[in-house]
Amino acid sequence: GESVGLHLPTLSVQEGDNSIINCAYSNSASDYFIWYKQESGKGPQFIIDIRSNMDKRQGQRVTVLLNKTVKHLSLQIAATQPGDSAVYFCAENRGSNSGYALNFGKGTSLLVTP
Amino acid sequence: EAGVTQSPTHLIKTRGQQATLRCSPISGHTSVYWYQQALGLGLQFLLWYDEGEERNRGNFPPRFSGRQFPNYSSELNVNALELEDSALYLCASSLGGWGARAEAFFGQGTRLTVV
Repeated sequence: GESVGLHLPTLSVQEGDNSIINCAYSNSASDYFIWYKQESGKGPQFIIDIRSNMDKRQGQRVTVLLNKTVKHLSLQIAATQPGDSAVYFCAENRGSNSGYALNFGKGTSLLVTP
Repeated sequence: EAGVTQSPTHLIKTRGQQATLRCSPISGHTSVYWYQQALGLGLQFLLWYDEGEERNRGNFPPRFSGRQFPNYSSELNVNALELEDSALYLCASSLGGWGARAEAFFGQGTRLTVV
């Protein structure tokens, strides 16, 4: 999950296993959430998004779950592959009060081992 | 279709100098966002431009500024550089601002090193 500080939490999974990356958000006014993947030396890459009127959304090998009651977001990656190794960020859109800027978590480092 | 492009990819400046970073959004995108990513940290929101105007800025001092041109490209200027300004500066673009809940696409970033 997300944490504050210089050291990213790390999730280590074996190739072929499913991965679950968690994120907690704090602002109940947030109504749009995005997961990004960032590989070393590259900019963040959009993975999947979800609006607050949904609690689940599926993409190719990825599923995002949103629990607004506990302000929790998760990204599930099925059959994790070595190419999935990266830092994953969740981002929340805090709506008009924050000028619609995306607020990013600190990130989780996913390491896929053979 | 070309993605978001940023230039230069790397920039080395000395303390006190000014840095100018450039961003070209995806064709058709009118919103440009700037983020700072210091080593090992998340992305910190800097600035948001839409239709040529600054719509919002993050919690950064005034020496961080920018502008958006009529073709929607954007510049980020950092004056009086300090050592802690060393970071990866990322630009993202989207259709009509995140108020429209549109996907945002990032460039590869400019690595600014202040020595």
